[in-house]
Amino acid sequence: DAGITQSPRHKVTETGTPVTLRCHQTENHRYMYWYRQDPGHGLRLIHYSYGVKDTDKGEVSDGYSVSRSKTEDFLLTLESATSSQTSVYFCAIRPSGRAGEQFFGPGTRLTVL
Amino acid sequence: QKEVEQNSGPLSVPEGAIASLNCTYSDRGSQSFFWYRQYSGKSPELIMFIYSNGDKEDGRFTAQLNKASQYVSLLIRDSQPSDSATYLCAVNPGSNYQLIWGAGTKLIIKP
Repeated sequence: DAGITQSPRHKVTETGTPVTLRCHQTENHRYMYWYRQDPGHGLRLIHYSYGVKDTDKGEVSDGYSVSRSKTEDFLLTLESATSSQTSVYFCAIRPSGRAGEQFFGPGTRLTVL
Repeated sequence: QKEVEQNSGPLSVPEGAIASLNCTYSDRGSQSFFWYRQYSGKSPELIMFIYSNGDKEDGRFTAQLNKASQYVSLLIRDSQPSDSATYLCAVNPGSNYQLIWGAGTKLIIKP
């Protein structure tokens, strides 16, 4: 257990509403990631962070923004949710010096109606 | 576009047999290779990783790299029903921050 929690764990929302997902870690890891997972696509990187206020886009960043004002929290915001953003969202951390070894939170299942 | 490909399966293996999972990668300069296991409804968990310099064995699991053909394998010996899961292959192309993920192979171990 890498001390990663995600909230909420499940959410149903309507098209056009903003949604914020939270990832919280307790071990002060510098690197954090947001992924979405859909059948047939595996894990796709949305955004990642390499420190407080240091973030960058992944391969599927359109329609998403992130913020990291504290080491322990990495927030993912869907600015105006669409049905195509219905997915399972995973947060992950990577311990420094261990390239590629990522540890995942329990996930958030988001449904956009 | 850097890619990692896996057969989606399902791969069905009798209990006690060897399960062999493969993935191919497109970036010849890839440095390290990772296998994650994901049970249904759960998050991925890291089970094995190898670097470009050799294979690795850990208990019933062996990860092998074929650099010439650009594929990496995961062998599971004495397969158990608890090994039934989706196995995700991920490749580090040299970047510190990102992995390239395959879509996963579903493995079913039949008692």
